[in-house]
Amino acid sequence: GAGVSQTPSNKVTEKGKYVELRCDPISGHTALYWYRQSLGQGPEFLIYFQGTGAADDSGLPNDRFFAVRPEGSVSTLKIQRTERGDSAVYLCASSLNNILNTEAFFGQGTRLTVV
Amino acid sequence: SQQGEEDPQALSIQEGENATMNCSYKTSINNLQWYRQNSGRGLVHLILIRSNEREKHSGRLRVTLDTSKKSSSLLITASRAADTASYFCATHGSSNTGKLIFGQGTTLQVKP
Repeated sequence: GAGVSQTPSNKVTEKGKYVELRCDPISGHTALYWYRQSLGQGPEFLIYFQGTGAADDSGLPNDRFFAVRPEGSVSTLKIQRTERGDSAVYLCASSLNNILNTEAFFGQGTRLTVV
Repeated sequence: SQQGEEDPQALSIQEGENATMNCSYKTSINNLQWYRQNSGRGLVHLILIRSNEREKHSGRLRVTLDTSKKSSSLLITASRAADTASYFCATHGSSNTGKLIFGQGTTLQVKP
């Protein structure tokens, strides 16, 4: 596709449930980022992939959060035992390669609401 | 944790005026980028300035970088109502794996 695609665009789930959020990066982009953004705040870094491997997962808040990118393209962010505090917009971005001087392209995000 | 802090948090100006937003950061960087966000969803890249650059222009945008003060500014000249959005600075640290860290943002309102 032309841009980064995230699905679903909105997700409402009950507290304690498991959710998966999907990100389709721009074709050929090797770097992929996940962020979480709460209202009025900046995007909070969660995890960064370079190819299939997680180059930096230092932003994952706890072990309920996990992300994969098995073939180096599509990525899935998985949240177990969701809590109301997990409610936020989850943003995915991709960039061309691992050279640091490249811009990131963002998807429109998934708005997760835990009730 | 966030790397950058934007100042001011909110800015309201009249159409045609210039808007200046500032960003401060804490660690050494490879580059600093500015992004724009409408309606709390996807961010759009505006401009990237490398650590060895001091100023960069793109259309009505002018970005400066002062690595000695660990700060950057974004100037939007001749603002338009369509410039109303949130603006974020983001940094690639010089010693990290490539992760991009964002500040808290400045909300700009341009009144027609």
